[in-house]
Amino acid sequence: DGGITQSPKYLFRKEGQNVTLSCEQNLNHDAMYWYRQDPGQGLRLIYYSQIVNDFQKGDIAEGYSVSREKKESFPLTVTSAQKNPTAFYLCATRQGTYEQYFGPGTRLTVT
Amino acid sequence: AQSVTQLGSHVSVSEGALVLLRCNYSSSVPPYLFWYVQYPNQGLQLLLKYTTGATLVKGINGFEAEFKKSETSFHLTKPSAHMSDAAEYFCAVSYQGAQKLVFGQGTRLTINP
Repeated sequence: DGGITQSPKYLFRKEGQNVTLSCEQNLNHDAMYWYRQDPGQGLRLIYYSQIVNDFQKGDIAEGYSVSREKKESFPLTVTSAQKNPTAFYLCATRQGTYEQYFGPGTRLTVT
Repeated sequence: AQSVTQLGSHVSVSEGALVLLRCNYSSSVPPYLFWYVQYPNQGLQLLLKYTTGATLVKGINGFEAEFKKSETSFHLTKPSAHMSDAAEYFCAVSYQGAQKLVFGQGTRLTINP
């Protein structure tokens, strides 16, 4: 069954802890993306990667880090430097020039 | 630079009424245009897209959109709203060779019984 998996669905952390969000795809897509979504707001791009071992900062990369060691995986680490980490995080993939495909999302709550 | 404006952050219609969600874009090159739908606590699902060719595009769930270059618009319509259409809708733009999508702020659609 092809698709994008994000785990877990809900994640809770204490302030000051780093946390890693998982994104795995078996669509064989080259490009992968991380977005952040806050209530009532649109999507903001955090990081994206076009190929393995390469990635670029998006609009709000501060306080986040990523890696792309495998084509299938693009984990996002939310570091303690991120001032307001509580949000809904969406992973997406793209093949070619066209649309992006989205995973189900991870809701992160930091208290 | 590209941008997208969705007029109306919240639209409310009665069940069975016409749904019209507005999207205007700005692009210096021929645009690729997309509409996505998001149900609560879920990811985005592609409704329809325009890249080239026919300017009236049909999507899933009875939605369609028309690309109007002269008006720089890509409005989303559905003739008869259903309760299951209640969701958030996002318009997005890119172009050939682009690595990123530019999203609008979204429109929350409410269906009244």
